[in-house]
Amino acid sequence: DTAVSQTPKYLVTQMGNDKSIKCEQNLGHDTMYWYKQDSKKFLKIMFSYNNKELIINETVPNRFSPKSPDKAHLNLHINSLELGDSAVYFCASSQYSASEAFFGQGTRLTVV
Amino acid sequence: ELKVEQNPLFLSMQEGKNYTIYCNYSTTSDRLYWYRQDPGKSLESLFVLLSNGAVKQEGRLMASLDTKARLSTLHITAAVHDLSATYFCAGEDNNDMRFGAGTRLTVKP
Repeated sequence: DTAVSQTPKYLVTQMGNDKSIKCEQNLGHDTMYWYKQDSKKFLKIMFSYNNKELIINETVPNRFSPKSPDKAHLNLHINSLELGDSAVYFCASSQYSASEAFFGQGTRLTVV
Repeated sequence: ELKVEQNPLFLSMQEGKNYTIYCNYSTTSDRLYWYRQDPGKSLESLFVLLSNGAVKQEGRLMASLDTKARLSTLHITAAVHDLSATYFCAGEDNNDMRFGAGTRLTVKP
């Protein structure tokens, strides 16, 4: 059973489009995260949600918005995609804030 | 804001050799995490170090934490090809993890 699952695994889209990446965890964790991994493999946190409340919001463009319909899901919506948004996006979850995190498989987003 | 620095960023070593990856962090971090990432794959948790002086070992990998020096090390003993991957350390900052840039390890026969 996959603990943290993301869909899609690959996403190729044109500039200006709006897209969503879905994330679900079946671990019963309270906190979920979105990370962006750039071409140099550097991981940077974008958002985290704890019990449906946004507790960290990094200085990311407001074109990115997390949506958490329930504790097991944290989806990432991106509006007006730009070339610089191309990266691998990882979803993760943890039992509580900053405990050991479990990562999804990643979504490779390519904006053309 | 917590900053985490790893070195080296790239490491090529021969099988059977030993080496250490270093992880320095800028401010207080109660815990230190080590993750492994294979090419095109997700991150796999290796170690969680919870206190000063903590040492954990799994196979050929051993991690340690010195909170006073703000330093964690990942020591590789008698490397084998299967250890080739990128290794990330991460510290805590306001209930959030901050990652280092990663160390890309290549183990050659």
